[in-house]
Amino acid sequence: DIQMTQSPSSLSAFVGDRVTIICRASQGIRHDLSWHQQLPGKAPKRLIYAASKLQSGVPSERFSGSGSETEFTLTIDNIQPEDFATYYCLQHNSYPRTFGQGTKVEIK
Amino acid sequence: DVQLVESGGALVRPGGSLRLSCVGSGFTLREYGMSWVRQAPGKGLEWVANIDLFGSERHYVDSVKGRFTISRDIATNSVFLQMNSLRAEDSALYYCARDTPNGGAADWGQGTLVTVSS
Repeated sequence: DIQMTQSPSSLSAFVGDRVTIICRASQGIRHDLSWHQQLPGKAPKRLIYAASKLQSGVPSERFSGSGSETEFTLTIDNIQPEDFATYYCLQHNSYPRTFGQGTKVEIK
Repeated sequence: DVQLVESGGALVRPGGSLRLSCVGSGFTLREYGMSWVRQAPGKGLEWVANIDLFGSERHYVDSVKGRFTISRDIATNSVFLQMNSLRAEDSALYYCARDTPNGGAADWGQGTLVTVSS
């Protein structure tokens, strides 16, 4: 099974900061990775797919993804109050699909 | 717009069975694979099972193999998760998700709660 190691597990940021979350795969997964946002008490929502493609409706000026094979990054520029949530990476390169353990982003 | 609505969650005793349903609208099952993902209280997301767009390939996480079965009904645009021999550790909010070839879990339902307890 492919292990997805996400870091950090939590972070605090001021509104307006840049936030970076990293996901590392235990073996190469090409660009077969998506990022999902989960607001408290809500269902997850996909933000980015194919490592760097933005889901329709997601603010492109704030959210971006990069990386390939074993290292991936989700960046949130100028973080806004509505962005404080838990973020997960998901690999769909092989079965079983696996999520990272999540990164909780809190307001400082 | 794509919409997914899960149902069937309940309180069940260990060893019991439950069948979850997920009805989709705004798309046709013939064109997409579907997954079930669960989230135990206060925990992260765990992928559970997938059925491909042809309805012929099914995959499961090891912890549910032999106990859970994913299936679908094209006529009602529905996906199901038959869960047998339930354990306390299966307690979670179960989400269904529509998969896309380029990025898995493109759309999510709101979830249905399964509690396994005596």
